[in-house]
Amino acid sequence: AQRVTQPEKLLSVFKGAPVELKCNYSYSGSPELFWYVQYSRQRLQLLLRHISRESIKGFTADLNKGETSFHLKKPFAQEEDSAMYYCATKRSNDYKLSFGAGTTVTVRA
Amino acid sequence: NAGVTQTPKFQVLKTGQSMTLQCAQDMNHNSMYWYRQDPGMGLRLIYYSASEGTTDKGEVPNGYNVSRLNKREFSLRLESAAPSQTSVYFCASKRPGQGYEQYFGPGTRLTVT
Repeated sequence: AQRVTQPEKLLSVFKGAPVELKCNYSYSGSPELFWYVQYSRQRLQLLLRHISRESIKGFTADLNKGETSFHLKKPFAQEEDSAMYYCATKRSNDYKLSFGAGTTVTVRA
Repeated sequence: NAGVTQTPKFQVLKTGQSMTLQCAQDMNHNSMYWYRQDPGMGLRLIYYSASEGTTDKGEVPNGYNVSRLNKREFSLRLESAAPSQTSVYFCASKRPGQGYEQYFGPGTRLTVT
């Protein structure tokens, strides 16, 4: 079974400081990896996916197959980045996503 | 487009009562999902429906049943609610193909006393 580990439940940073959310997955094949975000009183929504290699709202995430990691990074955190972040993975031909336990990020002024 | 809608938004049940959570999507997506969200446990898949007419168990199906009524609607039923089913329930849908995102509903907050 796939497993996604987000070791930090809570992460607090000051505005303007770098932020990194850790995500490790256990799957021997070629998984698809995603970061989803849930802002206060909003729906859970996709932030970015590894196949797109994109930067969204200043966030990037690099898939490291050797370390089986997909950490989310932003060099300069903003107050509007305060939210719950979930790492998720799926097999290429599967319909199901497996989510991590989530990390709550608080960006302080 | 409304996207994914869920009803009700809030519900309080007594142990042993039954209820059905409704979910509908207007994006013509094939796949639909039911998750529960619990503190420290993230989102866990209860049931999913890869396409109209099919349903499959997810990670935590015990105590739940689902019906894929048509392509738009996917309902979740609790036959005999238990306090352990107190949670926030999310429905999601997805278009076919690799890499596409799941679109989530606003959630239903259920409390079982």
